[in-house]
Amino acid sequence: NAGVTQTPKFQVLKTGQSMTLQCAQDMNHEYMSWYRQDPGMGLRLIHYSVGAGITDQGEVPNGYNVSRSTTEDFPLRLLSAAPSQTSVYFCASRRERESYEQYFGPGTRLTVT
Amino acid sequence: AQSVTQPDIHITVSEGASLELRCNYSYGATPYLFWYVQSPGQGLQLLLKYFSGDTLVQGIKGFEAEFKRSQSSFNLRKPSVHWSDAAEYFCAVGAGDYKLSFGAGTTVTVRA
Repeated sequence: NAGVTQTPKFQVLKTGQSMTLQCAQDMNHEYMSWYRQDPGMGLRLIHYSVGAGITDQGEVPNGYNVSRSTTEDFPLRLLSAAPSQTSVYFCASRRERESYEQYFGPGTRLTVT
Repeated sequence: AQSVTQPDIHITVSEGASLELRCNYSYGATPYLFWYVQSPGQGLQLLLKYFSGDTLVQGIKGFEAEFKRSQSSFNLRKPSVHWSDAAEYFCAVGAGDYKLSFGAGTTVTVRA
């Protein structure tokens, strides 16, 4: 199993540009989530999904959209990038909402200039 | 809502010495507790977890953690640190809303 994969590993955007961060898992996990990691702030939940077709907002959802059309994929869209979205983004999955034990992807380092 | 505090931002330890990282949580009932490690440029790897039962849990890479309900703590320990243990460590808490809350992290530097 590849586990949780993310692309790209690095990305530089200009303010106002849009892009999609890709996340896929091959463990047939129902629950997937997106976090951003900023220095001194740990990981903060952006959006999550408890299954295909179901998404919900986390702690810091503004400026981000998600969709979950399949169990495997959970892309994160930045609609109009801002410098405040410069961060490292992690996708994670777990078997189901109640299982709590999460597996993380390698991360995408995003810089918005 | 639950919260997690890691009081130490940065710890420096000599190779071969013992290591203890502190984690305190705020939650009304017994939460699910986790420690993750993040090596430079990598994702997070689960070190160990506590759901219930024995309050001393063993994890990978020689780490252990002890849940102390009276102190609302879940401290991580390793008896003898190796240079490869240099990383950032995150404590996380899962509670009734099925979300994980993470502490701000502790960076461990290992000196020769």
